[in-house]
Order: sequence, then C-alpha cells, then structure tokens
Amino acid sequence: DAMVIQNPRYQVTQFGKPVTLSCSQTLNHNVMYWYQQKSSQAPKLLFHYYDKDFNNEADTPDNFQSRRPNTSFCFLDIRSPGLGDAAMYLCATSREQSQETQYFGPGTRLLVL
Amino acid sequence: SQQGEEDPQALSIQEGENATMNCSYKTSINNLQWYRQNSGRGLVHLILIRSNEREKHSGRLRVTLDTSKKSSSLLITASRAADTASYFCATDARDNFNKFYFGSGTKLNVKP
Repeated sequence: DAMVIQNPRYQVTQFGKPVTLSCSQTLNHNVMYWYQQKSSQAPKLLFHYYDKDFNNEADTPDNFQSRRPNTSFCFLDIRSPGLGDAAMYLCATSREQSQETQYFGPGTRLLVL
Repeated sequence: SQQGEEDPQALSIQEGENATMNCSYKTSINNLQWYRQNSGRGLVHLILIRSNEREKHSGRLRVTLDTSKKSSSLLITASRAADTASYFCATDARDNFNKFYFGSGTKLNVKP
C-alpha cells in the first residue's frame, strides 16, 4: 500500500502559469519535506514542516510556497514557474526527528513549456 | 553547505562483483543514511548509521562511518543487475533535527 502519494506523477505547465503539486501520507508522520531534484543531481531540500511549523531553506526562491492544511496533506505551490523550475519534485515524511528514516513518494516530474 | 560529496560519480561493474561508494560531509552529524533511487523514481531508504556507530550491516549492504574523517562508505557485495540505481548518502544538520542534506550521488551500473 502506498504510504506517501504524490499527484500528479507528471505535470506540464506553461511559463508563468501557477501550478500546485500535492502530497499525502498515510503514516501519520509529523514531518513533511519537499525536495527539488534536477537531472543527475542530488535532491535539494526546499522546505519542511514539523507539524504546523514551516521551515524554509534560506536559498529557496520566493516563487515556491507550501501549505500543510492537516497532518496528511502538503502542497507545493509554484507561483510563476520558469524554465529553470523544470525538475522532479519529491515529497518525503519522517515520524519525528532526523534520527528517523525518511519515506519518499514517487515524485512529480514538472515540465515547463 | 552541509551537502556531501560522493565518489565515484559513476561506477560500472559486472554482476557478482562488489561495489563500494564513498560519501564525505562537512559538519557534525547525528546520523547518516543511505538511499537508493531507481531512474525517475522516489528514493528508498537502505540503512541508517548513527554517529556513535562505526559499522552496520543489512543483507548484502555494509556501511561504515568515520566521524573523524567525516566520511562513510557503502559496500554492496555480490552485486546484481537489479542493484543498478543511483545511491545517495544523506546527513542531518546537528543544529536542526529535521533537516536532511543529500550527497551528489553515485550512479551504479551492474552489467549482467
């Protein structure tokens, strides 16, 4: 059974057109993460939620926002996608602190035309 | 930045051989984890080693950690074609328990 679900798996958007990626989890984990991964690169942490507390990485562009309306769901909003935002976006969860394993979703591949 | 470096960037071996990947990081950690990623998919957790541990085994995987050198290695013994994937190490940030940083990854190709 899928534990971290990402929808859609593939998303095509136009330059400058807002897009939302979604992530849901059935693990009841406190921490949820969004990573950006470009081709042949390491996943780059964009932000994370510890429960309702939002933590932004210093170098995450303002163009990227996130919402976590409840424990199960987390959204990544890209307000004005540019060509450089085309990437795989990975959602992950962990139960508590960093001593815990992260569980990843399958990712959403974003294409910007 | 805390983000680690892995070497080699790419490794190609024959089935049955052992594969060794190395990871180096920059600052103190609580633990280090290794993940595997098949092409175009999410990451799958392989093994976690805590900062007070030196070696850990899981099936055909053996991980070592040397905190004095800020490095770790992942050994896959008796490799199989199905082991073909990218392997990443991930470290936490000691001052923020909830943040993880991934190394640059090693792309492993196991030829049948």
